[in-house]
Amino acid sequence: DVKVTQSSRYLVKRTGEKVFLECVQDMDHENMFWYRQDPGLGLRLIYFSYDVKMKEKGDIPEGYSVSREKKERFSLILESASTNQTSMYLCASSSQGRGHSYEQYFGPGTRLTVT
Amino acid sequence: GQNIDQPTEMTATEGAIVQINCTYQTSGFNGLFWYQQHAGEAPTFLSYNVLDGLEEKGRFSSFLSRSKGYSYLLLKELQMKDSASYLCAPPNDYKLSFGAGTTVTVRA
Repeated sequence: DVKVTQSSRYLVKRTGEKVFLECVQDMDHENMFWYRQDPGLGLRLIYFSYDVKMKEKGDIPEGYSVSREKKERFSLILESASTNQTSMYLCASSSQGRGHSYEQYFGPGTRLTVT
Repeated sequence: GQNIDQPTEMTATEGAIVQINCTYQTSGFNGLFWYQQHAGEAPTFLSYNVLDGLEEKGRFSSFLSRSKGYSYLLLKELQMKDSASYLCAPPNDYKLSFGAGTTVTVRA
């Protein structure tokens, strides 16, 4: 059974704190993604990685960074959390290839509140 | 993004049929995914159309026309548990572009 896990379901942080969100997948997938989801805006891609130590910016990378030191783990870092980063954060993974390989498997999400 | 357009909300009664349309700026022949997302949960895979035409899977069917950049998801014999958001997602390189989603509310 495919599985993507995220380190926390709920997180409350203060403005200015450094925040780490961890994601682990057990499917040996090459691609991993970080999204944020806000009401009315849908899923917006923050960063993605197609291999260990490789990363590319998505649509909204400002204020975020990522790390992928191992194939199964992809971390999202908020260098200095701000209130406008309060959101649901979703991690996903997919294999490389074409067609149905594009299917992404999602973790349960982390609801982050920055106060 | 790929200019994905789908209705924001739809409401229907139990047992009815609802059709969710999705238009997008097509960039090739990579098919299209539909995901279902219940409130507070992660999106889950619903269907994938690799070729043009209709794919049927139980109460759910999905249609795709790649040349027109058009797809629809058909939900039949609606049940209360079908109340969720439905996301249209065309592939974009090795990523997926997600629409904002259509929230379907099923009423008794």
